[in-house]
Amino acid sequence: DIRMTQSPPTLSASVGDTVTLTCRASEIIDNWLAWYQQRPGKAPKLLIYKASGLESGVPSKFSGSASGTEFNITISGLQPDDFGTYYCQQYSDFPFTFGQGTRLQIK
Amino acid sequence: QVRLQESGPGLVKPSETLSLSCSVSVSQVPGSSYFWGWIRQTPGKGLEWLGSIDYTGQLYYNESLRSRITISVEASKNQFSLSLTSVTAADTAVYFCTRQASRYYGIDFWGPGTTVTVSA
Repeated sequence: DIRMTQSPPTLSASVGDTVTLTCRASEIIDNWLAWYQQRPGKAPKLLIYKASGLESGVPSKFSGSASGTEFNITISGLQPDDFGTYYCQQYSDFPFTFGQGTRLQIK
Repeated sequence: QVRLQESGPGLVKPSETLSLSCSVSVSQVPGSSYFWGWIRQTPGKGLEWLGSIDYTGQLYYNESLRSRITISVEASKNQFSLSLTSVTAADTAVYFCTRQASRYYGIDFWGPGTTVTVSA
């Protein structure tokens, strides 16, 4: 199975900050990577697909990038709604696999 | 807007079969290029993809569960289902039903999730 490793596990930031979260795949996944936001008690929500494609309805403050097997999501102008846990997921190969998540919390 | 809703028992005894259904709000099962699937979440293992069925009926299962899992579609009811046999406490999780718009797309719709506890 393809292993997805996210860093950092936890990130504290303030409203208005810009943050970058990282995800590394254990092998080449041809940018078949998605990012999700999950708030407590809710299902994950798709933000980014194919490493940098913005899902319909998701604000442009979210952006994704890729370099080889390393992927980033950048969130600019943090608002209270942006705090939660962010997951990456590869869908290049079955079984689809997720990272362990980065918990973005208010400083 | 597509809505997914899981249903099924919240408590299952060890060694028994976990059965969940997912109702889809609009007539999309089967349809287009969609993949319908199941994902579960636990505090320890995080998000775990269990399997999917595509618009042709092709099944894709997590090999770690292959001997125990079945996913099927009831198109006439706009539903698809999950069956997991011989459950143990390790199968205790929040189960999500999902839609993936196509093979090479993210999971764009999720049900709210249903908690299943395996306990005697």
